[in-house]
Amino acid sequence: KAGVTQTPRYLIKTRGQQVTLSCSPISGHRSVSWYQQTPGQGLQFLFEYFSETQRNKGNFPGRFSGRQFSNSRSEMNVSTLELGDSALYLCASGQGRPYEQYFGPGTRLTVT
Amino acid sequence: TQLLEQSPQFLSIQEGENLTVYCNSSSVFSSLQWYRQEPGEGPVLLVTVVTGGEVKKLKRLTFQFGDARKDSSLHITAAQPGDTGLYLCATQYNFNKFYFGSGTKLNVKP
Repeated sequence: KAGVTQTPRYLIKTRGQQVTLSCSPISGHRSVSWYQQTPGQGLQFLFEYFSETQRNKGNFPGRFSGRQFSNSRSEMNVSTLELGDSALYLCASGQGRPYEQYFGPGTRLTVT
Repeated sequence: TQLLEQSPQFLSIQEGENLTVYCNSSSVFSSLQWYRQEPGEGPVLLVTVVTGGEVKKLKRLTFQFGDARKDSSLHITAAQPGDTGLYLCATQYNFNKFYFGSGTKLNVKP
């Protein structure tokens, strides 16, 4: 099976702009989660989608949003970008009990 | 305070040495996972442990889940440069939210 794919791999944006990141899960996985990874805060959970519904949400401001499509592909959007949003954004898909996640390579976002 | 505390934060050793990294919490978990992440890439799942006292082996890596399911350890025997990376433990908690430890950055020198 193909793994989790994320596009784009690298992105440079300016403060105040918005950005949309894309994630295609492993075939058959209906759950997709998004994470932000920074050197200072580590890996932090943004939100999880399952069957097009947000099932869980971390402690991030409303500028961070996401959605999932009927084919399980997911997008996350960050509006009004701030310098502190510079990070590696990771997407993971998963299934099973216990639940196991498989990560994509990430999108490196730099905000200038 | 983090839900999962990992130690040590950094470890630099010579090829062939043994090492153990720890993942501790005051909470009880139904399962716990270990990942390895290389720079610029996503974490790769190594193992999932679910039963208190469980031991799982993956080649030179041995994973143990504490009897009380509050802690876990990862032991690497005869470390190799290819083991270099960031080792992360993770779990689901608090209405199935995902939490990761801050990680142990391992450097194995040839």
